[in-house]
Amino acid sequence: DTAVSQTPKYLVTQMGNDKSIKCEQNLGHDTMYWYKQDSKKFLKIMFSYNNKELIINETVPNRFSPKSPDKAHLNLHINSLELGDSAVYFCASSQVRGSYNEQFFGPGTRLTVL
Amino acid sequence: AQSVTQLDSQVPVFEEAPVELRCNYSSSVSVYLFWYVQYPNQGLQLLLKYLSGSTLVKGINGFEAEFNKSQTSFHLRKPSVHISDTAEYFCAVSDLGTSYDKVIFGPGTSLSVIP
Repeated sequence: DTAVSQTPKYLVTQMGNDKSIKCEQNLGHDTMYWYKQDSKKFLKIMFSYNNKELIINETVPNRFSPKSPDKAHLNLHINSLELGDSAVYFCASSQVRGSYNEQFFGPGTRLTVL
Repeated sequence: AQSVTQLDSQVPVFEEAPVELRCNYSSSVSVYLFWYVQYPNQGLQLLLKYLSGSTLVKGINGFEAEFNKSQTSFHLRKPSVHISDTAEYFCAVSDLGTSYDKVIFGPGTSLSVIP
């Protein structure tokens, strides 16, 4: 059983297009995240949702819009794609117990903007 | 503000040799500490974690890490590496304060095991 799944695994598109990445977790967690990993492997948090509410919104262009239809899903929509958006995007989930926050990651979506 | 430093961006090591990957953090409050591993073309996977108690923490695949509060370090070690340990390793910190939902990752250390 896949714990955190993302679709698609690869996404190749032209500049200016709009695209979405989907994420689903079957762990019953209450918090989900989107991370961007650049070509140097640096991992940066973009968004975090807890029970469908946005709780972390880092400095991300407003072309990026997360949507959480329910606790098990957190999708990422990107408008007007730019070359600099090329990266691997990871979804993660966790069940925050007090302060303990162990995150479970999806396999990643490699986005290439041409 | 929290931050995580991984002093070595790349560590080449021969098979069956020991390895230590260094991690230092800064935080004004008590923290939880994690090591994650990312195998090529895969997502991150938890290797081990320090929450409280014994400062020596054992994880999967023969890895262990030691929490040193005075040096604010959480170095990862393995006594004998295998080719299959070739991967990117990330140290991460989550504080016990109000930003508990946020995990800060270090820049990663690329471990290459040479046959």
